[in-house]
Amino acid sequence: DTGVSQDPRHKITKRGQNVTFRCDPISEHNRLYWYRQTLGQGPEFLTYFQNEAQLEKSRLLSDRFSAERPKGSFSTLEIQRTEQGDSAMYLCASSLRGQRTDTQYFGPGTRLTVL
Amino acid sequence: LAKTTQPISMDSYEGQEVNITCSHNNIATNDYITWYQQFPSQGPRFIIQGYKTKVTNEVASLFIPADRKSSTLSLPRVSLSDTAVYYCLVGDYSGGYQKVTFGTGTKLQVIP
Repeated sequence: DTGVSQDPRHKITKRGQNVTFRCDPISEHNRLYWYRQTLGQGPEFLTYFQNEAQLEKSRLLSDRFSAERPKGSFSTLEIQRTEQGDSAMYLCASSLRGQRTDTQYFGPGTRLTVL
Repeated sequence: LAKTTQPISMDSYEGQEVNITCSHNNIATNDYITWYQQFPSQGPRFIIQGYKTKVTNEVASLFIPADRKSSTLSLPRVSLSDTAVYYCLVGDYSGGYQKVTFGTGTKLQVIP
């Protein structure tokens, strides 16, 4: 499978714990995005990388959230001191710079439940 | 980013053609129109993209009138497996990446 992959697919944690999610983009894609989706809503943009550089962060990304993309390949999203409001689906997408229309391809998501 | 408006939900019988219309009155010159499909507990899947007139691929057709203030996604002969949420997005890609903004989408229910 050469699509975007995310790990884990599901994560249950207790409030106050730290969690980390991983995203592996399509291999030749140099752009990577993180989104958050809650029930009944469309995905909301969190942050964007071009290669290893994090070029934009949404105001939704509080200081408890941090994302990295070392070496411009896979990316991790860490949430510290989780809160019940962090419960959501976290989606990763990738695209190829240079395409006129920057089509984003999404992974299956990581479902986070904070108890 | 141009705001989009689409119906919250639609029902259709199996085998029928389904047309979902999206309104984007303040679309800009550089904006493209993109549609995604999302099944429960999965990430959105790219369906089709266009700038003007008509675009067709193996999955759907996209109709865009001359004024580009709306667009219509057409799904031919839907099956139960087409039950999903469909998102219309409008954005300018000319400056580089596109910070995609999803609305609440149209929930399509296909009935046997």
